Amino acid sequence: AAGVIQSPRHLIKEKRETATLKCYPIPRHDTVYWYQQGPGQDPQFLISFYEKMQSDKGSIPDRFSAQQFSDYHSELNMSSLELGDSALYFCASSPSRGTGNQPQHFGDGTRLSIL
Amino acid sequence: GESVGLHLPTLSVQEGDNSIINCAYSNSASDYFIWYKQESGKGPQFIIDIRSNMDKRQGQRVTVLLNKTVKHLSLQIAATQPGDSAVYFCAEKSGQNFVFGPGTRLSVLP
Repeated sequence: AAGVIQSPRHLIKEKRETATLKCYPIPRHDTVYWYQQGPGQDPQFLISFYEKMQSDKGSIPDRFSAQQFSDYHSELNMSSLELGDSALYFCASSPSRGTGNQPQHFGDGTRLSIL
Repeated sequence: GESVGLHLPTLSVQEGDNSIINCAYSNSASDYFIWYKQESGKGPQFIIDIRSNMDKRQGQRVTVLLNKTVKHLSLQIAATQPGDSAVYFCAEKSGQNFVFGPGTRLSVLP
């Protein structure tokens, strides 16, 4: 079965640079979530989109922005990168909220390292 | 979610024994809960879920128990196998999103 695809898997940037992470949800999933996970920590919710509109906002810094496109893929744009942004970034998708409570399905993440 | 830094709580069990992983959640209004398994270098993998109108749900070798009175969730793994070694997270639904609890590292001893 198709899973959530994230790219790139690994990304190395320097301070003050920008980065773009991409997420391709499971087909027919219209809701996308972004999480940040530091070493040994639980995933922290950043932002979510439903039907191409921002749904909820968590602890996403103002330096970050995201959007969901017409094909339901999503991109997380990160600017003025800081050392503390080094983490695993996960994307998850779920089916339409109209179908009731549904689990999120996660991709394998992008490991972002800031030098 | 709360962070426990670099030192996750660890549960060590002998292969073949049963494992019980516990989780306290924060929002008494949460109506949906999920257990995830996360292996090194991978994303969280769905194990089992439970809605708040239930207090127990069973899957293949796993059982989730929900105690709404004390806001407690547990995951029981029967006949633990080496492949069960991973970090386990509970997640509670908050609005349209999920809040993760601190993970527990399960180590299966031969």
